[in-house]
Amino acid sequence: DIVMTQSPDSLAVSLGERATINCKSSQSVLYSSNNKNYLAWYQQKPGQPPKLLIYWAFTRESGVPDRFSGSGSGTDFTLTISSLQAEDVAVYYCQEYYSTACTFGPGTKVDVK
Amino acid sequence: QVQLLESGPGLVKPSETLSLTCAVSGDSISNFYWNWIRQPPGKGLEWIGFIIYSGSTSYHPSLKSRVTISVDTSKNQFSLKLTSVTAADTAVYFCARALSGTAAVFDYWGQGALVTVSS
Repeated sequence: DIVMTQSPDSLAVSLGERATINCKSSQSVLYSSNNKNYLAWYQQKPGQPPKLLIYWAFTRESGVPDRFSGSGSGTDFTLTISSLQAEDVAVYYCQEYYSTACTFGPGTKVDVK
Repeated sequence: QVQLLESGPGLVKPSETLSLTCAVSGDSISNFYWNWIRQPPGKGLEWIGFIIYSGSTSYHPSLKSRVTISVDTSKNQFSLKLTSVTAADTAVYFCARALSGTAAVFDYWGQGALVTVSS
């Protein structure tokens, strides 16, 4: 099984400032035949299902604000919120879909400082 | 607009079978991969399995012996059965559609159904 870890567990950022979340996989999720990283990011607010933000490590889902961006390759990935808004307060999960049984990271809680 | 709606009992006794159905509207279930994912209260997300319209399935190895996912194309819905449940199976159960071209990037989700395992 691929194990996903995230850091930090939580962070508080001032409105308008940058928030950075890291995700690491226990093995590479880069598929050599198509050079794609099988890594997605989701946002979950209390009482709601997760919302897809990013897939293929950096492709933004339709309708997702461009302040959200994904980067990284292989085993190390980053989700960046370039200018935190109040509505971005949530838990963020990374997910690998390289393996036959996809796995999620434990989540990072983002709050306003 | 694609919508998914989970339904089923909110309380299941230990050792019994958990059964949930996901009704899909706004899209044909004959396209895409359809998934079940669960989230214990206050915890993270766990993928349970998927099905495609032909009936082909894939399950999480840790749950494989207890899980069955089935599809009813005439009703545009798919279902989850989890046998021999324990308190550890208490969770919010989500059904979700996978993004076109993938089996496990979830672009549409139901609101979730809380299932509590308790006598």
